[in-house]
Amino acid sequence: EAGVAQSPRYKIIEKRQSVAFWCNPISGHATLYWYQQILGQGPKLLIQFQNNGVVDDSQLPKDRFSAERLKGVDSTLKIQPAKLEDSAVYLCASSLGGRGVSSYNEQFFGPGTRLTVL
Amino acid sequence: DQQVKQNSPSLSVQEGRISILNCDYTNSMFDYFLWYKKYPAEGPTFLISISSIKDKNEDGRFTVFLNKSAKHLSLHIVPSQPGDSAVYFCAASSTGTSYGKLTFGQGTILTVHP
Repeated sequence: EAGVAQSPRYKIIEKRQSVAFWCNPISGHATLYWYQQILGQGPKLLIQFQNNGVVDDSQLPKDRFSAERLKGVDSTLKIQPAKLEDSAVYLCASSLGGRGVSSYNEQFFGPGTRLTVL
Repeated sequence: DQQVKQNSPSLSVQEGRISILNCDYTNSMFDYFLWYKKYPAEGPTFLISISSIKDKNEDGRFTVFLNKSAKHLSLHIVPSQPGDSAVYFCAASSTGTSYGKLTFGQGTILTVHP
């Protein structure tokens, strides 16, 4: 079974530039998550999709961050314009999202994209 | 507001001994808890979970204990192996109100010495 794929793995940009990250979840997983992990901290949920609808985006800085999940499969996360404090690893995860607590909570993570904003 | 805390940034253990990683939470709505393991340059991988209706769950060398009254959980690894060296994250969710929204602790770096 192929895992969660993310690209690019690394990105360096200057502040005020824009950047986009791509995620391909595990086939058949209905739920997709984007997390931000700042150095020395645990992952923080930015946005959760159920199929192609947004379930939770309460911690997404909507003035600069946007995300979409086309056709309920792949997803992109965009930052425009980037700030220095956006430097972090951006993790995509997916889960079955069916009935039962484990189907949502046992999430499978991709390798992440390390973003450095100069 | 840190709702899930791992107060030990690092832990060093000898191979063959027990590793005990601790986690505290403040939100009484949390009812499902998970441990994830993370190697450098990889995403976290699910290790073991426990529902609040239990106080212990075991999977091979890994056991998670939950003390609801103290809002504390711990992960025991017995015996510890060098391959267990990684960052361990505790995570919690409130299944009644927000499916799949995990709140993570800061992580504990475990080093197992041969």
